[in-house]
Amino acid sequence: GAVVSQHPSWVICKSGTSVKIECRSLDFQATTMFWYRQFPKQSLMLMATSNEGSKATYEQGVEKDKFLINHASLTLSTLTVTSAHPEDSSFYICSAREGGRETQYFGPGTRLLVL
Amino acid sequence: GENVEQHPSTLSVQEGDSAVIKCTYSDSASNYFPWYKQELGKRPQLIIDIRSNVGEKKDQRIAVTLNKTAKHFSLHITETQPEDSAVYFCAASSTNQGGKLIFGQGTELSVKP
Repeated sequence: GAVVSQHPSWVICKSGTSVKIECRSLDFQATTMFWYRQFPKQSLMLMATSNEGSKATYEQGVEKDKFLINHASLTLSTLTVTSAHPEDSSFYICSAREGGRETQYFGPGTRLLVL
Repeated sequence: GENVEQHPSTLSVQEGDSAVIKCTYSDSASNYFPWYKQELGKRPQLIIDIRSNVGEKKDQRIAVTLNKTAKHFSLHITETQPEDSAVYFCAASSTNQGGKLIFGQGTELSVKP
């Protein structure tokens, strides 16, 4: 149980394009999902928290107009990187949590390379 | 906001030895402390967690201790095996912050056969 999937696992795009990443909870209802970014050899940095049906809460320093987050259902959250630039290249990982529970389960991550 | 410090950044042990990783946190309201293991290019996997109403928790070769007064918690791995080699992250969260996890910097554990 408690499986989280992410799609795509790899994406290469040109600078200036937008990229959408999907995060799905496969066997539970995720009232809250979190989006992290991880650079090589570094820790996971929380970008934003999204609750189903409401606007995401962004961490300080994260541009909400650049990283659009939608959590339209209890099993799906999406992160759209708009007008991507090479400095946005990173490993993006989502996690999901069931309502009333503390444990977060992570997706397999999406490696984004912006050329 | 919460800040989590983790030490050491790298740890090398011989197979069969014990490994200890330590973390400190700053927010006294934090009440949930998970540990994750991440292999290269993979997702973080929860290995053990502890809540603030408990001082110690053990699961086979893995144990976690929590000292709320000092605001630090530690991961103990006994009888280490080469497959324990990975990066380990501690994290802290509080209910009044929506349960978001703040991670430590990570410890790269290498178990030499």
